[in-house]
Formats: sequence, structure tokens, C-alpha cells
Amino acid sequence: GAVVSQHPSWVICKSGTSVKIECRSLDFQATTMFWYRQFPKQSLMLMATSNEGSKATYEQGVEKDKFLINHASLTLSTLTVTSAHPEDSSFYICSATRLAGVETQYFGPGTRLLVL
Amino acid sequence: AQSVAQPEDQVNVAEGNPLTVKCTYSVSGNPYLFWYVQYPNRGLQFLLKYITGDNLVKGSYGFEAEFNKSQTSFHLKKPSALVSDSALYFCAVRGLNQAGTALIFGKGTTLSVSS
Repeated sequence: GAVVSQHPSWVICKSGTSVKIECRSLDFQATTMFWYRQFPKQSLMLMATSNEGSKATYEQGVEKDKFLINHASLTLSTLTVTSAHPEDSSFYICSATRLAGVETQYFGPGTRLLVL
Repeated sequence: AQSVAQPEDQVNVAEGNPLTVKCTYSVSGNPYLFWYVQYPNRGLQFLLKYITGDNLVKGSYGFEAEFNKSQTSFHLKKPSALVSDSALYFCAVRGLNQAGTALIFGKGTTLSVSS
């Protein structure tokens, strides 16, 4: 159990377009989902924390109008990169914690975004 | 402030030999500590965690980690390395973020196991 999926796994888009990334917990209900960004050969940087039915909490320096997060249900959160620019190219990873779990985050496989 | 340090960028070990990937932490209060592994172009896989209890924690794929409070360390170990263990390993500690709690990751250690 504790499988998290992301879709798409790869996306290439033109500068100025918007891209939506889905994160789903497949076999459990997730109280909280997290969105991370990872640059090549670097650690994960937390972008935001989202709870079902409420607004996401963004980390300092992350533009909330740029990275829109919607947590529609206990199994789905979406990240929309609006008006994408080449500097938004990165590896985006989501994670989720169980409804009754303790602390452990289960990670999705990641989405590679390339903005041309 | 909560932080995690992984002092080695890379660890090289021969297959069959024991391996250690180091991690030290700095937290206020009791630490919740985690190890994750990342294979190329993949998300992170949970290996093990320490919340409370025995200092030696056993996890997935034969890995274990020892919590040492006096040395503020949580080193990852395996008695006999496999080539398939080659990957990027992250130590993490529960910390504080804008939302209240989050995982704070070390910069990662690349483990390379040679045959």
C-alpha cells in the first residue's frame, strides 16, 4: 500500500503556456499533500503544503499565483504552473501522508517539466 | 532551526562490503528522522524512520539505521552492499515550515556500488 502516482511523467511546453500536474494517492486517503521541486543533483525544495478543502500554504519565495495548487479530494492534488518560462523547467515531485499515519511521506514518481 | 547534514557527496563501496551513509541532524525537541532513496528520474522511496523506541531501526531492502542522540547522528547502514543499491540517498528530519510541519532534506549522498 501507500502508492502515489503523478501524471504526466514528462511534459514539454512552450513558454507562456500553463501546465497542470496531477498527484493521486491510489490506495489510501491523504490528509496532506506536499509539492517539491528538485533541480539536477540537488535536494528537494518544498514549495507548498496542501490539505483537502483548504488553501495551500506556500513556502517563502514561492509565488502562489505562479504555482496554483488545488486539493480537490483526499486522493487528488493538482499543481498548475501558469505562464511557464524556461526557468520553471525542473523535476516536480509530490508526496502524501496517510489519514491516520505518523509523519511518513510517500512520494510520487515525479514529473519532468521542460519549458521551451 | 532544524537542519540535516549529509557530509559526503558520494560513497563508493564494493559489492558485498558493508556500507554506511552518514547523516547528522540539528533539531529542537525529539527528532523524527527518515531515510529515502531516489533512483534516476524517479520519486523518492521510503526506507525507514525513527520516531521513538529502539535506536536501531530496520527498514526496506536490508537497510538499517542507528539513532545516536549524543552524536546527533542517524547513519544508514547495510551489512552487504548490492550493485542495485546504487542510487541517491536522502536523510530527512521533521521540521517546521509555513504550514507547521514538513520534511527537511539533506543534500543527498550518491552511493555507488561496484561489482
